[in-house]
Formats: sequence, structure tokens, C-alpha cells
Amino acid sequence: GAGVSQSPSNKVTEKGKDVELRCDPISGHTALYWYRQSLGQGLEFLIYFQGNSAPDKSGLPSDRFSAERTGGSVSTLTIQRTQQEDSAVYLCASSLLMTGGYQPQHFGDGTRLSIL
Amino acid sequence: DQQVKQNSPSLSVQEGRISILNCDYTNSMFDYFLWYKKYPAEGPTFLISISSIKDKNEDGRFTVFLNKSAKHLSLHIVPSQPGDSAVYFCAASAVRAAINYGGSQGNLIFGKGTKLSVKP
Repeated sequence: GAGVSQSPSNKVTEKGKDVELRCDPISGHTALYWYRQSLGQGLEFLIYFQGNSAPDKSGLPSDRFSAERTGGSVSTLTIQRTQQEDSAVYLCASSLLMTGGYQPQHFGDGTRLSIL
Repeated sequence: DQQVKQNSPSLSVQEGRISILNCDYTNSMFDYFLWYKKYPAEGPTFLISISSIKDKNEDGRFTVFLNKSAKHLSLHIVPSQPGDSAVYFCAASAVRAAINYGGSQGNLIFGKGTKLSVKP
């Protein structure tokens, strides 16, 4: 079946502009996660959704970052007034709820965001 | 401070030999550990996982070992193949804490990765 789909795959924008990144999780996956990977770094957790609610927003680096999820499916990550340090690969993952055993997260191919 | 550390940024191994990738962690709340493999321009792909109640989990050519007292885990690939060349990420999760907090199984904390090169 289809995996996690992210769009756009690449985004180049000028400093100060707003950007929206989209994630389509695997069908039936109720948990959705956003991470980002900066150059030479590991993946950094941003936010987690269970259904449409976000129990854990602890990783969002500033109030310029926000995310929402509608219909328990598609999620958008919005970065307002982008800064050069926002340049990174933004990865989305989804998983089933943990019932009877741990459910690994499955990742999309990411959106490579470059701020000029 | 890094809670999950992969101290070797790169590893080169001959085809057919064993590859051993290492990972250390500091948070004693971690109770689930995973390895992901990543090719350039692709997202990480789940490889294998282990619960803290076990010390070994095997899946084909891949085996993960966990030493809780040392807060250390390793991934063994044997025999190594050129197609195994990729960046390998170690990840950890505090699942029980996340569930108690009211969420699902919680987010993953990743190491910085080890780039494995398997030479033909």
C-alpha cells in the first residue's frame, strides 16, 4: 500500500516568507509525527498528533512554528516569517496506535526546505 | 545534551564481513530502541527494534543487542552486502512514560547516525 507522502519534496523561499509543508500519513495510522533534520544532525522531534489533537508540542522550536491535523489524516506544518536556521529536511512519520505491542514509525521522504 | 549518541560517524566494512554499529544512551526512562536505515534523499526506513525487557532481537541478517546496565546497544549485520551502504540511525523512546502521560507510545529520540560503507 501507499506509504507516507510529503509535499513539496523541495521548497526554496526567501527569508521572512511563510511556508506550509504537507503530510499524508499511511491510511489508518492515527499517530502522526513531525521531525526535522538539519545538516549533519540527527532527527529532531517537533510535534506529535494522536488523531487531531497534539498531546506533545514540546519540540516546536519557536512560536513561528505551528501544525494542525484535520480529519485524523492530513497534517500541515506551517513556519511563519522563515529564518535561515529553519533550513532543514522536514520529515513526517505515522504509526498505528500501540495495541498489543510497539508500532514502529514509518517515514516519508521529507521536504527539503531552503531559506535564502 | 544528547540522550542518544552514535560516536562513530562512519564505518567501512568489506563485503561478507560483519558490520557492528554502536549506540549509547543516557536516559534510563528509555524502554524501546529502534534502528533505522536511510539512503540519500529518502526517509528513514525501519529495520529492527528491541524492548528493554530483552537483550537480543534477530531478524535475518540483522541482530540488535541491548546492554541495559551499560546503556548500550549495537546492530550487527552479517554478512554485510554493498546494498547495506547507508546511514544508520539509532533511536529510543520512553514508551511507558508516554502512555502514562496520556499519549500513545511517544516520540523517538535519534542519534546523529553512522554512515556505513560496504566495499565489494
